[in-house]
Amino acid sequence: GEQVEQLPSILRVQEGSSASINCTYENSASNYFPWYKQEPGENPKLIIDIRSNMERKQTQGLIVLLDKKAKRFSLHITDTQPGDSAMYFCAAFYQGGRALIFGTGTTVSVSP
Amino acid sequence: EAGVTQSPRYAVLQEGQAVSFWCDPISGHDTLYWYQQPRDQGPQLLVYFRDEAVIDNSQLPSDRFSAVRPKGTNSTLKIQSAKQGDTATYLCASSWGRADTEVFFGKGTRLTVV
Repeated sequence: GEQVEQLPSILRVQEGSSASINCTYENSASNYFPWYKQEPGENPKLIIDIRSNMERKQTQGLIVLLDKKAKRFSLHITDTQPGDSAMYFCAAFYQGGRALIFGTGTTVSVSP
Repeated sequence: EAGVTQSPRYAVLQEGQAVSFWCDPISGHDTLYWYQQPRDQGPQLLVYFRDEAVIDNSQLPSDRFSAVRPKGTNSTLKIQSAKQGDTATYLCASSWGRADTEVFFGKGTRLTVV
């Protein structure tokens, strides 16, 4: 199986609060988990990634957690700003796989 | 550094018409991907190449879709006899080596089939 489930599909938060997106994957051989941000009319851009030899990674207000046992990974946006409003996609890759498999996306809306 | 370039940016077709999308990957990237992204959904892989070779085209509707990368650089995705269900954004992406290195996306071609 090569599905990646992503929830929620829509996330509305107040500026300054945190936003969390969760993804689960099927293939236990998956070893690379990037997150992409896509603004309307723009291309998806990599914002953070994590490999299977790590459980946590943090950069510039973003935290990614990986639970290999549960086959689950999550993105946490701390101190959200209006500029964080966008579509976010998780993805998974495994050696021998068919390239990146993407989740269904989460629309994040940050209101003042 | 130039990113992944795609053209055209938009296309509107009637059912049954054909269309071609063109992609110029980042210079030096040996791996090129075509993804289909329906509105408000995640990108879904259609086909990918390493140099000029097709590595996986199992998700490409072979009766109407075709993709080539003859010199291992630019690529063309063609849809023969488009259907309304083909309405989506078609994203080209490239990477150096496998997809567990950063994959860079173009801005896509937004296709509407009426």
